[in-house]
Amino acid sequence: DAGITQSPRHKVTETGTPVTLRCHQTENHRYMYWYRQDPGHGLRLIHYSYGVKDTDKGEVSDGYSVSRSKTEDFLLTLESATSSQTSVYFCAISETSGNYEQYFGPGTRLTVT
Amino acid sequence: GNSVTQMEGPVTLSEEAFLTINCTYTATGYPSLFWYVQYPGEGLQLLLKATKADDKGSNKGFEATYRKETTSFHLEKGSVQVSDSAVYFCALSSTGTASKLTFGTGTRLQVTL
Repeated sequence: DAGITQSPRHKVTETGTPVTLRCHQTENHRYMYWYRQDPGHGLRLIHYSYGVKDTDKGEVSDGYSVSRSKTEDFLLTLESATSSQTSVYFCAISETSGNYEQYFGPGTRLTVT
Repeated sequence: GNSVTQMEGPVTLSEEAFLTINCTYTATGYPSLFWYVQYPGEGLQLLLKATKADDKGSNKGFEATYRKETTSFHLEKGSVQVSDSAVYFCALSSTGTASKLTFGTGTRLQVTL
């Protein structure tokens, strides 16, 4: 299994509070991704990174920001959480660009009340 | 843009039955195609992949053939087991940078004795 961990694994927070989710990899892969999983939508890309300090938006990036200061860590921040951001968040990594598979972390279940 | 359409679930089968989960796609260029599986409470695992037309991906008794003429990548297994109960996601990888994945909505498979 690819060495990917996510923290926390579960979090309950209140509307309007900031939240940061962490993804940590031990594979030294260049590409990292954040997805959210919601019923009826599958997984949707929030943001991704193609190197340290290099990030770009995915299809559902509004309300989210990311940072990558080290190869191994990719942080997802909800500046002011809303109930619509209640979801399961998955981090993924990929060794290189092109048509290569991604490896997924175990997920973080976030509930915004 | 890219999109993936999967058959709606849930799919309920008896053990040893034949499985087909349909997947069709829309994409520009020449994407790679993937099937991921998600067991309860876990992240996604790559099940199989195909990178060009007429390729057949296979793993653990599952197979899927990349059909460019019908833009399809249907998942099949000749004899399912209770342990195959999971959610199955079809996905495609866009050409260009960062290997971004576009997922279908997922199909839940329940196998009973």
